Amino acid sequence: AQSVSQHNHHVILSEAASLELGCNYSYGGTVNLFWYVQYPGQHLQLLLKYFSGDPLVKGIKGFEAEFIKSKFSFNLRKPSVQWSDTAEYFCAVLGGRDDKIIFGKGTRLHILP
Amino acid sequence: DAGVTQSPTHLIKTRGQQVTLRCSPKSGHDTVSWYQQALGQGPQFIFQYYEEEERQRGNFPDRFSGHQFPNYSSELNVNALLLGDSALYLCASSLGAPSGEKLFFGSGTQLSVL
Repeated sequence: AQSVSQHNHHVILSEAASLELGCNYSYGGTVNLFWYVQYPGQHLQLLLKYFSGDPLVKGIKGFEAEFIKSKFSFNLRKPSVQWSDTAEYFCAVLGGRDDKIIFGKGTRLHILP
Repeated sequence: DAGVTQSPTHLIKTRGQQVTLRCSPKSGHDTVSWYQQALGQGPQFIFQYYEEEERQRGNFPDRFSGHQFPNYSSELNVNALLLGDSALYLCASSLGAPSGEKLFFGSGTQLSVL
């Protein structure tokens, strides 16, 4: 069965700091990978996704993620965070014959102004 | 263009009761997935409906059941509520299987079981 592990449950950064949120998944076959974001009081929305091709994918609001197949990882990065990036971030995987997307437990990101 | 709408937004029930949550998918979408998000956890897949049938199911007991109507809207029913069923219940819609289209999420129904 697929699973997703997010290493950090709570991250606190100052504005302009660089961000990297870790995500590892367990599935040996072809996977589709996602990062979702949930801003305070809002619904989950897609940040970026990887289906195939270039392993470095760019999403909205300056976020990017790199798929490293050998490490089963899909880490989320942003060179310089803003206060408005305060939110909860979820890594998710879709793989195999299942059509269900499996989410990690989430990382709560708090940016200090 | 309406996104995914869920009702009600909040609900309080007591143990042993039954609850029905409703979801209208985004216009043009035909597949509805339901997730349970407990406090401090990521969304956990409950089941998915397509063409009025349950297509996929997660590790949830039979107390959790659902339905999809011809207009693609969906209901989630939970019987014999337990305290541990308290959570945010999310509905997500897609066109066909989620692999071919990103999921659009509703704002959820916050269920509290006392």
